[in-house]
Amino acid sequence: NAGVTQTPKFQVLKTGQSMTLQCAQDMNHEYMSWYRQDPGMGLRLIHYSVGAGITDQGEVPNGYNVSRSTTEDFPLRLLSAAPSQTSVYFCASSQQGRAGANVLTFGAGSRLTVL
Amino acid sequence: TQLLEQSPQFLSIQEGENLTVYCNSSSVFSSLQWYRQEPGEGPVLLVTVVTGGEVKKLKRLTFQFGDARKDSSLHITAAQPGDTGLYLCAGESRDDMRFGAGTRLTVKP
Repeated sequence: NAGVTQTPKFQVLKTGQSMTLQCAQDMNHEYMSWYRQDPGMGLRLIHYSVGAGITDQGEVPNGYNVSRSTTEDFPLRLLSAAPSQTSVYFCASSQQGRAGANVLTFGAGSRLTVL
Repeated sequence: TQLLEQSPQFLSIQEGENLTVYCNSSSVFSSLQWYRQEPGEGPVLLVTVVTGGEVKKLKRLTFQFGDARKDSSLHITAAQPGDTGLYLCAGESRDDMRFGAGTRLTVKP
């Protein structure tokens, strides 16, 4: 089925470890983004990309890196994990266009715990 | 501070009751969207509103976009247990989408 695929679904890290959350979409969407979801905080934008080779920061970018070498993939890297990065991470994509057309399709989420 | 404030944060009602949840901001958005999220899954789009004052209906759900395009409401008529979930509003501006913290709705049979 077409959609947004995130891996891994669950991950436990120790403080200081690095890891990459993978996100792939097969809908040829130009726009991709990463959110984290914490209780009482809703979804907060980490980084986004409007096309291959273009990335930009969202609300909470510190501690995270992204790159967009292809239209399909948008990995999120944690270089040195901290307990404050314990969260559920969602990748989303959409077809950029006129106002109201930026409908996000979300992946199923990746639950990360940093000890 | 959230760009979009949603209220109430939690809502527990009996099946058959009506309810309204609100999404407010001091910012103007080019569009506003409502999503519903169930446990262990990503949010799924319910509706997009674009024009100030716009009203959209989706079965028992009625969505309204404020005249100034800064706020929105979601009204559910005769709520059912299947309506249980986290309701999120999201405002679109320039290149990104910002979300509210959500309203967690529980409908008891």
